[in-house]
Amino acid sequence: AQTVTQSQPEMSVQEAETVTLSCTYDTSESDYYLFWYKQPPSRQMILVIRQEAYKQQNATENRFSVNFQKAAKSFSLKISDSQLGDAAMYFCAYATGANSKLTFGKGITLSVRP
Amino acid sequence: EAQVTQNPRYLITVTGKKLTVTCSQNMNHEYMSWYRQDPGLGLRQIYYSMNVEVTDKGDVPEGYKVSRKEKRNFPLILESPSPNQTSLYFCASSFRDRGRYGYTFGSGTRLTVV
Repeated sequence: AQTVTQSQPEMSVQEAETVTLSCTYDTSESDYYLFWYKQPPSRQMILVIRQEAYKQQNATENRFSVNFQKAAKSFSLKISDSQLGDAAMYFCAYATGANSKLTFGKGITLSVRP
Repeated sequence: EAQVTQNPRYLITVTGKKLTVTCSQNMNHEYMSWYRQDPGLGLRQIYYSMNVEVTDKGDVPEGYKVSRKEKRNFPLILESPSPNQTSLYFCASSFRDRGRYGYTFGSGTRLTVV
């Protein structure tokens, strides 16, 4: 069975600094998708970034980028120039296809210090 | 606007009183699913549906029922709620767009069973 591990329950970053959130996963599949979701206090699940396993290039979305290491099964999220609005819970998730289950990690709470 | 609509957002009920949480999507997605979110556990899949009249159990189906009579609707039914079903619930549907895919989540339902 696929598993997703986020080992850090909490992290803190100074505003305007860079922070990296870690995620590892376990799978025997060769083709899959990885996601980072943000959950602010409003509870809404917001897609931050998505990575296709067949792509070697790391995904980027503005201040958000990933470090995808397929052999190591690692998928970390880097947030640059952190802003107060980045404070939220972040979930790493895995799926094998469009019609498949999302497997989530336990989440990490990110706080941003002004 | 493309969206997944869940109702209600908050619900307090008593043990044993049947309830239904509604979920509707306007994107003609085939795959829909329900998740529950609990502290320290992330999100876990309860049930999913591949299409109309096709449903199957996820990882934590005990105590829940679903139906998919129409493509757009996927209600979650708790026939006899118990306090251990107190949780935050999300409905989601998945999409595929030019080889990429993702998931759209509802706004969540906070359920308390007393």
